[in-house]
Amino acid sequence: ETGVTQSPTHLIKTRGQQVTLRCSSQSGHNTVSWYQQALGQGPQFIFQYYREEENGRGNFPPRFSGLQFPNYSSELNVNALELDDSALYLCASSLSRGVDYGYTFGSGTRLTVV
Amino acid sequence: DQQVKQNSPSLSVQEGRISILNCDYTNSMFDYFLWYKKYPAEGPTFLISISSIKDKNEDGRFTVFLNKSAKHLSLHIVPSQPGDSAVYFCAASVSSNYQLIWGAGTKLIIKP
Repeated sequence: ETGVTQSPTHLIKTRGQQVTLRCSSQSGHNTVSWYQQALGQGPQFIFQYYREEENGRGNFPPRFSGLQFPNYSSELNVNALELDDSALYLCASSLSRGVDYGYTFGSGTRLTVV
Repeated sequence: DQQVKQNSPSLSVQEGRISILNCDYTNSMFDYFLWYKKYPAEGPTFLISISSIKDKNEDGRFTVFLNKSAKHLSLHIVPSQPGDSAVYFCAASVSSNYQLIWGAGTKLIIKP
């Protein structure tokens, strides 16, 4: 059974650019959640996708958007990058909605905006 | 507005002794609490959870205690082992919601 895979592991972007981060969920998992972790802080919820539909969204602007595909993999897109978007982006998959199903996290994508 | 707080950025404990990590929360609607462990360059891994209908949950060396009146929970690790050195995050949720609210983490260092 494979875990959660995120790509790329690191990338550097310029302010104003757009970025796409990818996540392959664990086999059998139909729910994907995305979190942003700034340095020295805990992860912050961006949004969750369940069976290809957005299931909830945290306090992030519309320039943060996502997709979930029929195979339950997911993308996080960020437009008009700002310096404060520099963070570790974590993807987590689970068997269903609800935190009591247990999340399996990927190792994250470290995004640096310069 | 930090709803989940871990006030100790780091904690150093001798191997074999008890490690106690603390977490405070402000939202009385939280009814499900989790602890995650994170090693460098890895994602968080689930450790143990507790529902608000309980005040204690135990899994091997790990025990979580919940004090609802004080809005406080703690994670006890006994005995502490070198592999326990990691950052520990406390997280909370409302009614099996999809969203976890996380603390800032406590770095636990186990000294040989």
